[in-house]
Amino acid sequence: ETGVTQTPRHLVMGMTNKKSLKCEQHLGHNAMYWYKQSAKKPLELMFVYSLEERVENNSVPSRFSPECPNSSHLFLHLHTLQPEDSALYLCASSQDLGTGNTEAFFGQGTRLTVV
Amino acid sequence: QKEVEQNSGPLSVPEGAIASLNCTYSDRVSQSFFWYRQYSGKSPELIMSIYSNGDKEDGRFTAQLNKASQYVSLLIRDSQPSDSATYLCAVNMASQNRDDKIIFGKGTRLHILP
Repeated sequence: ETGVTQTPRHLVMGMTNKKSLKCEQHLGHNAMYWYKQSAKKPLELMFVYSLEERVENNSVPSRFSPECPNSSHLFLHLHTLQPEDSALYLCASSQDLGTGNTEAFFGQGTRLTVV
Repeated sequence: QKEVEQNSGPLSVPEGAIASLNCTYSDRVSQSFFWYRQYSGKSPELIMSIYSNGDKEDGRFTAQLNKASQYVSLLIRDSQPSDSATYLCAVNMASQNRDDKIIFGKGTRLHILP
């Protein structure tokens, strides 16, 4: 248990569905991240938030929409996904950005399958 | 393109031997370096971080950093079957202005032979 909790753990959705992934951290961290992990590919950084402000968006398609209402919660809203979006989606948090102390701690991930 | 390179393996090491995992990175201004362990079906777990040149030891693990060569390694002494996992090298490729990007390598699969 790392103090970062993701729900749901597994999700199967159709291409026309709308769903949301939730992440909550209990570590008092100020930065939160969404990563995508596909088979045989490195972890891909999707979004970074610092103190609820988005500071990084790595050209992620608009069918993925992040939301960070406060420094403890992070959502990833999904709509009209494609089968190639099936992957493990990982949330992480770190103490801060720009300080060098950027050890990131991961949640258990959401295994997403798009059918 | 900023990258982190690792040999994908699998790397097979006899139980009790030293496992050596290597990683190179492309961005010279990188400041922070991390090793994560990921078991199959699980999320990455931070096992070591290193910020300055030289060695850092923690139990059976030693991280080594050489910024001039843009090289970071992880040594696991007295390897155990429970060390069998994928090891991810991660590099923070930003400096001081809140644009931290923790970039991961593809990982090296380590298999400890009983």
